[in-house]
Amino acid sequence: QSALTQPASVSGSPGQSVTISCTGSSSDVGGYNYVSWYQQHPGKAPKLIIYDVASRPSGVSIRFSGSKSGNTASLTISGLQAEDEADYYCSSYTSSTTVGFGGGTKLTVL
Amino acid sequence: EVRLLESGGGLIQPGGSLRLSCAASGFTFSNYAMSWVRQAPGKGLEWVSGISGSGAVTYYADSLRGRFTISRDNSKDTLYLQMNSLRAEDTAVYYCAKVDYGDLGSFDIWGQGTMVTVSS
Repeated sequence: QSALTQPASVSGSPGQSVTISCTGSSSDVGGYNYVSWYQQHPGKAPKLIIYDVASRPSGVSIRFSGSKSGNTASLTISGLQAEDEADYYCSSYTSSTTVGFGGGTKLTVL
Repeated sequence: EVRLLESGGGLIQPGGSLRLSCAASGFTFSNYAMSWVRQAPGKGLEWVSGISGSGAVTYYADSLRGRFTISRDNSKDTLYLQMNSLRAEDTAVYYCAKVDYGDLGSFDIWGQGTMVTVSS
């Protein structure tokens, strides 16, 4: 069982926006601004796309944005493109000095 | 170019031991914490263990503490994961990852992964 809860799947049409949620507790997501998001294409290693809740690494498209409210973090992808179809994972630092991952969300671009 | 290259995976019988290695290049290895993350076939990501840049502090997932040991050799720019008493449920691709800052921050660089299969 994953430490953080994500929807198993989301979908959207090209050009639309989608939001993926990541729900934890006050011991992880809600207690620290150390939430990250990763994109993983089939057979590939994960890629960091958001860190510290809402910061984007250099080279990551501005179409990816992150936010947090209480114990729930969110990843929004705007202007959906076919190449965005992938699995997305959230992670958070926890009060147990560990890292928790969400179960992952499969994004389908219709 | 910043790069991580894992090795040491393979087929191992239940109860056996295996040591994974992760060779780093393109950055000052000793300045950064590192972690191991695994992914069972068709499943999600699971953080396994982390280690500070100096190697003085280590962190483990509660479910793995006692069977796995993380270490690093900063003179060789290499990270290790010693895995003992392996079980079928340890079957996964094991990734090493560089931590952006702090000991357990975001993972900004990942290796390509090495597959570990525990089966008789």
